[in-house]
Amino acid sequence: EPEVTQTPSHQVTQMGQEVILRCVPISNHLYFYWYRQILGQKVEFLVSFYNNEISEKSEIFDDQFSVERPDGSNFTLKIRSTKLEDSAMYFCASDREETQYFGPGTRLLVL
Amino acid sequence: DQQVKQNSPSLSVQEGRISILNCDYTNSMFDYFLWYKKYPAEGPTFLISISSIKDKNEDGRFTVFLNKSAKHLSLHIVPSQPGDSAVYFCAATGGYQKVTFGTGTKLQVIP
Repeated sequence: EPEVTQTPSHQVTQMGQEVILRCVPISNHLYFYWYRQILGQKVEFLVSFYNNEISEKSEIFDDQFSVERPDGSNFTLKIRSTKLEDSAMYFCASDREETQYFGPGTRLLVL
Repeated sequence: DQQVKQNSPSLSVQEGRISILNCDYTNSMFDYFLWYKKYPAEGPTFLISISSIKDKNEDGRFTVFLNKSAKHLSLHIVPSQPGDSAVYFCAATGGYQKVTFGTGTKLQVIP
């Protein structure tokens, strides 16, 4: 069964550094999303992407964040200058018919 | 602003019995509802969904009930198995939009 994959599974970085989280959505899906879950909190929406552009973003998704679909398969989330509070699990998701399927997540730790 | 609420943070059920997980929502624009199962440090796994035009959807041991007038949905697991032990998230969407998650209910099925 097709699934969403994410790399890396873990990332440790210094505050102020740039990180890029990568996702390969399910191949025939059209909508792509990033969510995050800070430890002990609920899963929060960051951004949705359709037809090569952002369709919706949350307040969390400020100028430090960007998304890109550089080719036909990858979907990336970039954080330009990481802050301590960016430490979280980041989940990519994709959907075609309303049901979103999630990747296993990337655990980001900012020191 | 909690648009999706799961008021029970935890639930313990004996193996073989029924597990009932509840969820309430406030946003009338939601028209598609999902349940996800999640283990620590993993991505949410889609379980079952229901459209607002239905009041029940069944898939094996899992049944979701939707009461639109009460803005309430529930997930029934019958019979419960130890492998069902996980955190269950209720989620809602307006269709091809962000999924709004509840805070989760930790289910423990006791052998």
